[in-house]
Amino acid sequence: ELKVEQNPLFLSMQEGKNYTIYCNYSTTSDRLYWYRQDPGKSLESLFVLLSNGAVKQEGRLMASLDTKARLSTLHITAAVHDLSATYFCAVDSPYSGGGADGLTFGKGTHLIIQP
Amino acid sequence: EPEVTQTPSHQVTQMGQEVILRCVPISNHLYFYWYRQILGQKVEFLVSFYNNEISEKSEIFDDQFSVERPDGSNFTLKIRSTKLEDSAMYFCASRQDRGFTEAFFGQGTRLTVV
Repeated sequence: ELKVEQNPLFLSMQEGKNYTIYCNYSTTSDRLYWYRQDPGKSLESLFVLLSNGAVKQEGRLMASLDTKARLSTLHITAAVHDLSATYFCAVDSPYSGGGADGLTFGKGTHLIIQP
Repeated sequence: EPEVTQTPSHQVTQMGQEVILRCVPISNHLYFYWYRQILGQKVEFLVSFYNNEISEKSEIFDDQFSVERPDGSNFTLKIRSTKLEDSAMYFCASRQDRGFTEAFFGQGTRLTVV
């Protein structure tokens, strides 16, 4: 059974600080996704990481993937209040391979950024 | 920008009743999914659908659940006899191709079983 673990699950930080969220997964996969969810809202795609060593950046967020370590990181630089949300990583489940696979999500990191 | 749309946004039903949740995926997408999220918990995969049939389903997707694509645009999730523990947010998602693009999620239907 594929397991996806995120840590921390809860993070409160001040504006202007840097921090990293970690996502470990238990099986071989070279496809990992990061999503953002605001309270009561849907899941917004942030990053698609498709190969070992992939690095993507958008604004103050940067995601990377190490498939050998089965680890992805989401780094927040100089956090601002608007980044407060829950962040999920997700991995394609190893059912049959290909795009019909469902995603297995981590439990999410609830991020609060204090002004 | 194309988006996945879901109706209704909120449904309240009595235990034992049947509900149908509706979704219109993005038009050129080929893969369709249902996920659920119990309040405050993680998002769980229910079922994937491709080429007019179920491709994969999780342990959650038991005989009480069924999916259908009745026409060229709608994708539905039916829960035959709802239980209290079916109360959750249900998300529909669609994806364009095989594993190299992200899944796009709808706004969700909040199902409350009383």
